[in-house]
Amino acid sequence: AQRVTQPEKLLSVFKGAPVELKCNYSYSGSPELFWYVQYSRQRLQLLLRHISRESIKGFTADLNKGETSFHLKKPFAQEEDSAMYYCALIGSEKLVFGKGTKLTVNP
Amino acid sequence: NAGVTQTPKFQVLKTGQSMTLQCAQDMNHNSMYWYRQDPGMGLRLIYYSASEGTTDKGEVPNGYNVSRLNKREFSLRLESAAPSQTSVYFCASRDRNSYEQYFGPGTRLTVT
Repeated sequence: AQRVTQPEKLLSVFKGAPVELKCNYSYSGSPELFWYVQYSRQRLQLLLRHISRESIKGFTADLNKGETSFHLKKPFAQEEDSAMYYCALIGSEKLVFGKGTKLTVNP
Repeated sequence: NAGVTQTPKFQVLKTGQSMTLQCAQDMNHNSMYWYRQDPGMGLRLIYYSASEGTTDKGEVPNGYNVSRLNKREFSLRLESAAPSQTSVYFCASRDRNSYEQYFGPGTRLTVT
């Protein structure tokens, strides 16, 4: 079964502090994993995907197949990073989302 | 390009009323999706359409019907609204050659 787990519903950090949003997955096969972000009252948008191995807005995420994880990291959080973050996994036609982590970056 | 558009943006219904949420995309995407977003539940797939003329159930299809009217449009219908259907509904689309889904702005539905 395909499953995405985000263990933290809420995460609060101070500006300039490192931040890590956790994501674990369950999938039989080679997963295709993503992070989506939703700023307040806006539509979801793709933040990054593991296959491109890029850094977007200072965020990176590494796929760890041994630990079945795809944690999102940023070394120095900014206030504008405050948003809802969703980890997602593609399986056949469907994207399976985790329940999301609300990140708040305090000044 | 407008991307993915949804109407209406807000709607209040009484229990038992019906309504149709409209979604359209101008990116010539094959696949389209309807999700609902609830606090603490994340996004849950209601229905999806892999191509024009086909529709399939997602995780939470009960109480909903869909129509893939043409390649551009994918509507979601609530035949008899219930308070449990109070939610924010998002439509999304995807090109067959990409895994990225593009989302609409959402419809905030309240059922009283």
